[in-house]
Amino acid sequence: DAGVTQSPTHLIKTRGQQVTLRCSPKSGHDTVSWYQQALGQGPQFIFQYYEEEERQRGNFPDRFSGHQFPNYSSELNVNALLLGDSALYLCASSLVGGGYEQYFGPGTRLTVT
Amino acid sequence: QQQVKQSPQSLIVQKGGISIINCAYENTAFDYFPWYQQFPGKGPALLIAIRPDVSEKKEGRFTISFNKSAKQFSLHIMDSQPGDSATYFCAASRSGSARQLTFGSGTQLTVLP
Repeated sequence: DAGVTQSPTHLIKTRGQQVTLRCSPKSGHDTVSWYQQALGQGPQFIFQYYEEEERQRGNFPDRFSGHQFPNYSSELNVNALLLGDSALYLCASSLVGGGYEQYFGPGTRLTVT
Repeated sequence: QQQVKQSPQSLIVQKGGISIINCAYENTAFDYFPWYQQFPGKGPALLIAIRPDVSEKKEGRFTISFNKSAKQFSLHIMDSQPGDSATYFCAASRSGSARQLTFGSGTQLTVLP
């Protein structure tokens, strides 16, 4: 049973650039949530996708956008990168109606220089 | 009201000892309280979770104690082992918010051999 997978593992970008991160949910799951984890802090909720639509959004600017595909995989896009966007980006999957558990992937480490 | 406060920030325990991490919340709408374990460079792994209709839940060496009136919950790790050395995060979620997780700031646990 495949767990949550994310790609790439690491990424280095320059200020002002755009980045796309990818996530495949755990087998059988239909919902994907994205979190940002700054160094030494707890993860912060960015948004959640279900049925290919953004279902809920945290306190993040519009530079952060996403997409969910019919196979439930998801992308996180960040435009106009800032130094402060450097963080570990985590994807978590869950199943609507299947309980409250969210399972996290290994994350993508984004460094903005 | 969305905050979850976690303490201590760091904890050092001898092998075989009991590790105790505490969390407090303000939002009484929270109704699901998971604990996650995170190793360096990895995503958070779900350890154990509790709903407010019970005061304690035990899974192996891990126990959650929940005090609804005090709006506090804690993680107890019995017979702590060096392999338990990691960062532990408490979290909370509620219905009507897509079950987004609000995390504590984390506790770095070191178990000495």
